[in-house]
Amino acid sequence: GAVVSQHPSWVICKSGTSVKIECRSLDFQATTMFWYRQFPKQSLMLMATSNEGSKATYEQGVEKDKFLINHASLTLSTLTVTSAHPEDSSFYICSARGVNTQYFGPGTRLTVL
Amino acid sequence: GENVEQHPSTLSVQEGDSAVIKCTYSDSASNYFPWYKQELGKRPQLIIDIRSNVGEKKDQRIAVTLNKTAKHFSLHITETQPEDSAVYFCAATELRGGADGLTFGKGTHLIIQP
Repeated sequence: GAVVSQHPSWVICKSGTSVKIECRSLDFQATTMFWYRQFPKQSLMLMATSNEGSKATYEQGVEKDKFLINHASLTLSTLTVTSAHPEDSSFYICSARGVNTQYFGPGTRLTVL
Repeated sequence: GENVEQHPSTLSVQEGDSAVIKCTYSDSASNYFPWYKQELGKRPQLIIDIRSNVGEKKDQRIAVTLNKTAKHFSLHITETQPEDSAVYFCAATELRGGADGLTFGKGTHLIIQP
């Protein structure tokens, strides 16, 4: 199956700083990627759909100015959590759109102190 | 938008017995229903999926059934083994020229008792 990577796998930052998470499709081109967030012992929640060369589409309740998404190439989408706060601490997982399924990255554990 | 309900939240079965997890969805346009297994701190792993043009699909010990009329689909695991212990998520979406953003159920923590 297709391979999707994420970097970093985990990050700890201070409150008020910004953190960038990268999602890469390693062996295929992904015009569409998705960003999910998963709080402990909860389900995955779709945050936004990232489209190469255009603006991301955010789900209701997700602040677009706080979670900046850039999809500048067919193999890379980035999620920047701006002015992070402890309540942003979560597991962030990206996925890349395939023809019949999605391919998930390994996730990034963000801890905001 | 789509809403997916999943039951039960926790399921404990004896090793060797069968486990059944049920989901319902709300959007009649949804036509793709994957099931994922997630171990702690890891990415979801697709274990089986079904499209709306079939009613049942089986892969060794795992099967999924779909009732479009009732908007209901279920995961069946037979001859459960300790390594089946994990959290299982159902999901739904409408495929439109490619897989779109998934709406997940809340998950079922499956515990296999030795």
